[in-house]
Amino acid sequence: KAGVTQTPRYLIKTRGQQVTLSCSPISGHRSVSWYQQTPGQGLQFLFEYFSETQRNKGNFPGRFSGRQFSNSRSEMNVSTLELGDSALYLCASSLVGDTEAFFGQGTRLTVV
Amino acid sequence: GEDVEQSLFLSVREGDSSVINCTYTDSSSTYLYWYKQEPGAGLQLLTYIFSNMDMKQDQRLTVLLNKKDKHLSLRIADTQTGDSAIYFCAEASWGSSNTGKLIFGQGTTLQVKP
Repeated sequence: KAGVTQTPRYLIKTRGQQVTLSCSPISGHRSVSWYQQTPGQGLQFLFEYFSETQRNKGNFPGRFSGRQFSNSRSEMNVSTLELGDSALYLCASSLVGDTEAFFGQGTRLTVV
Repeated sequence: GEDVEQSLFLSVREGDSSVINCTYTDSSSTYLYWYKQEPGAGLQLLTYIFSNMDMKQDQRLTVLLNKKDKHLSLRIADTQTGDSAIYFCAEASWGSSNTGKLIFGQGTTLQVKP
């Protein structure tokens, strides 16, 4: 059974640009959550999607957004990139949003 | 509020047992998790315990939960060099208004010396 797949693995963007990251959950999983990992703030919850609806949201500015498609694949978008957005972005999938959450390898975003 | 605390570093000798500790503040936590992160990788789910349990054992891993003190520990028996990684404790308070969200500790770096 394939795990959680995140693409791309690495990205370098310039301040002010926007970026879209993709996450394909484990087959059959309908919940996808996104996290930001930085050395200073650790792992922080961005948002969770289930059946194409955002059910939960963390404390991030509106520049961070996401969506989920009918096949449960999810994308997150960051607009007007800032240097502080440089981080490892991780997505996790679970059956319905509780119990076991399985993470992908992450997308390493560097903003220059 | 929600907060999870872990010690930052632990060093052990190969073959010894490792004990990684975690404290949490949310008394409504329903699940408590341990994840492992190796350099350049994502998070690997090691094990989890439901809040009405005191202990869970899974091969070399033993999780102990003290609900009164809100203290969680992960014991790794016969620690190997391949166990060197960062270990994260996480808690979740699943409910209709709080789905998909894990609160993580800062992570404990486990160094295993040959």
